[in-house]
Amino acid sequence: AQSVTQPDIHITVSEGASLELRCNYSYGATPYLFWYVQSPGQGLQLLLKYFSGDTLVQGIKGFEAEFKRSQSSFNLRKPSVHWSDAAEYFCAVGEVEGNKLVFGAGTILRVKS
Amino acid sequence: SQTIHQWPATLVQPVGSPLSLECTVEGTSNPNLYWYRQAAGRGLQLLFYSVGIGQISSEVPQNLSASRPQDRQFILSSKKLLLSDSGFYLCAWAGSYNSPLHFGNGTRLTVT
Repeated sequence: AQSVTQPDIHITVSEGASLELRCNYSYGATPYLFWYVQSPGQGLQLLLKYFSGDTLVQGIKGFEAEFKRSQSSFNLRKPSVHWSDAAEYFCAVGEVEGNKLVFGAGTILRVKS
Repeated sequence: SQTIHQWPATLVQPVGSPLSLECTVEGTSNPNLYWYRQAAGRGLQLLFYSVGIGQISSEVPQNLSASRPQDRQFILSSKKLLLSDSGFYLCAWAGSYNSPLHFGNGTRLTVT
């Protein structure tokens, strides 16, 4: 069965600094990978997805993620963080059938001014 | 465009009472539908998913059940709530295999 590990529970960065959120997955075949963001008390919003092709994926709000098969990773990056990026971020891996996503435990991002 | 509605937004229920949470999707047909539960600091756990009317798959044994009486309606129920049922419940839909999930705004359930 697939699984997702987000090693960092909390991350604090200064506004304007770069950001990298880590995600490692376990899946036997080529994975379908996603990053979602959740503001407090809200649902999840899709940031970006990787299905195949170019391993560097661009998403909304200036985020990007890079798929590295050799490291089983799909880290999320942003070159300059804004205070409005403070939220919880979830990495997820999808099965081939049925759209069953398995989510990581999430990383809470705090942005300090 | 497609929208997903989930209600109520918050709910406080006593132990042993019944539960019914409703989710509807507009602007698409035959969506895959999902119920997830989010406990504090524990990510999202898939509870049920459905690929069609009357077709429900349960991912974990629990005190909850799900039904899909109409194509775009997904209901989460319990006959008797437990304290451990407290959490944030999220409904989601997807248009086809491997398309992204689109989430509702969630229901915060507190069982007292």
